[in-house]
Amino acid sequence: GENVEQHPSTLSVQEGDSAVIKCTYSDSASNYFPWYKQELGKRPQLIIDIRSNVGEKKDQRIAVTLNKTAKHFSLHITETQPEDSAVYFCAARNQGGKLIFGQGTELSVKP
Amino acid sequence: GAVVSQHPSRVICKSGTSVKIECRSLDFQATTMFWYRQFPKQSLMLMATSNEGSKATYEQGVEKDKFLINHASLTLSTLTVTSAHPEDSSFYICSAGETGHTGELFFGEGSRLTVL
Repeated sequence: GENVEQHPSTLSVQEGDSAVIKCTYSDSASNYFPWYKQELGKRPQLIIDIRSNVGEKKDQRIAVTLNKTAKHFSLHITETQPEDSAVYFCAARNQGGKLIFGQGTELSVKP
Repeated sequence: GAVVSQHPSRVICKSGTSVKIECRSLDFQATTMFWYRQFPKQSLMLMATSNEGSKATYEQGVEKDKFLINHASLTLSTLTVTSAHPEDSSFYICSAGETGHTGELFFGEGSRLTVL
């Protein structure tokens, strides 16, 4: 079945540094790739997404890249701030509509 | 963005009882809704796809007789955890997207179930 692998599971960076989280997916029919930030006990919050016809997308300090051939996509956060500390999930949605999540990355930004 | 509302946000029940969770799309119609379960410090695991007017489709390993799903209208799906046990305690969250769109899904607030 569909599978999304996410790495690393934990990531600690100094304030101001960049953070990169990587995901791979198994279903080549996947065409929508969102990234979520989730705080404890809350619903996932969409921070950026990318569709399969685009290779890169940027929104201020956040960027996502997609390599369809290799079936992997990455989240890049630049100039990290302590408030960026949270759990981040990647996900992939296929044409059947299912959204499958990666395992999550706990990001810690140290002041 | 579109709004999905989920109720109740928290529920505590005794072992052996059943609990119903509602998921509503407030400003759009959703032919399909999705139900996820999330254990502490884990990811969101897809349990089932709720289809308006037809039977839900369940992911491998999810008991359809234990987790009853009803999608009677284009704006409401319900998940009933039957004969709940302590191991069913979890965070249940629904999501929905606008019919015909394969992009963004909108999430409900989630329901924290505690089975004593």
